[in-house]
Amino acid sequence: DVQLVDSGGGLVQTGGSLRLSCAATGFSVSSRYMCWVRQAPGKGLEWVSVIYGAETTYYANSVKGRFTISRDNSKNTLYLQMNSLRVEDTAMYYCAREYGLTSAWYIEYWGQGTQVTVSS
Amino acid sequence: QVVLTQSPSASASLGASVRLTCTLDSGHTTYAIAWHQQQPQKGPRFLMKLNSDGSHNKGDGIPDRFAGSTSGAERYLTISRLQSDDEAVYYCQTWGTGMRVFGGGTQLTVL
Repeated sequence: DVQLVDSGGGLVQTGGSLRLSCAATGFSVSSRYMCWVRQAPGKGLEWVSVIYGAETTYYANSVKGRFTISRDNSKNTLYLQMNSLRVEDTAMYYCAREYGLTSAWYIEYWGQGTQVTVSS
Repeated sequence: QVVLTQSPSASASLGASVRLTCTLDSGHTTYAIAWHQQQPQKGPRFLMKLNSDGSHNKGDGIPDRFAGSTSGAERYLTISRLQSDDEAVYYCQTWGTGMRVFGGGTQLTVL
């Protein structure tokens, strides 16, 4: 069975850094499109970043230049390195696996989420 | 940039049916979408992928009470025989090279 377990969230001050992890079981992260989605308190879902293929990555404009998505195939784990954090980055962060075949890049599995709180 | 529009709220009675709508902007009316459900205090769950021709592929364990359909730029999610745990926020999602977009979500209340 596919399972995604998010971790690494916490409380950090403005300008600080945090690295989120997403441990995957039931498939290989290296072979699928993997992404991060966040949800600010009381708000909707916002796509953050995606990684696929030989390290092709894309980012939402709101995080470009500050966040880096990566994966460790030996640990079958996805990461999100978040630098220069802002109050508006406060959100629940979800790891997700996309279908990824035939250019159908929709999310088909979600992690349980990890909370990031940035305080001023 | 693709824009997905959803009504903020909907309601229907226990045991009844409800149809939720996700509308693609005029420049992207042939796009497929996905529907996701987020129950209170839980993470999202994938329901189905819905193509422009109305065909759809459901996620693991999604019951037949959930069905998708299409008309022009509109993508629908119909839930039949409503149950109390169908009360949730429903999001539509679409995608393109280097971008993923979510609608604002519809809060479904089961009366």
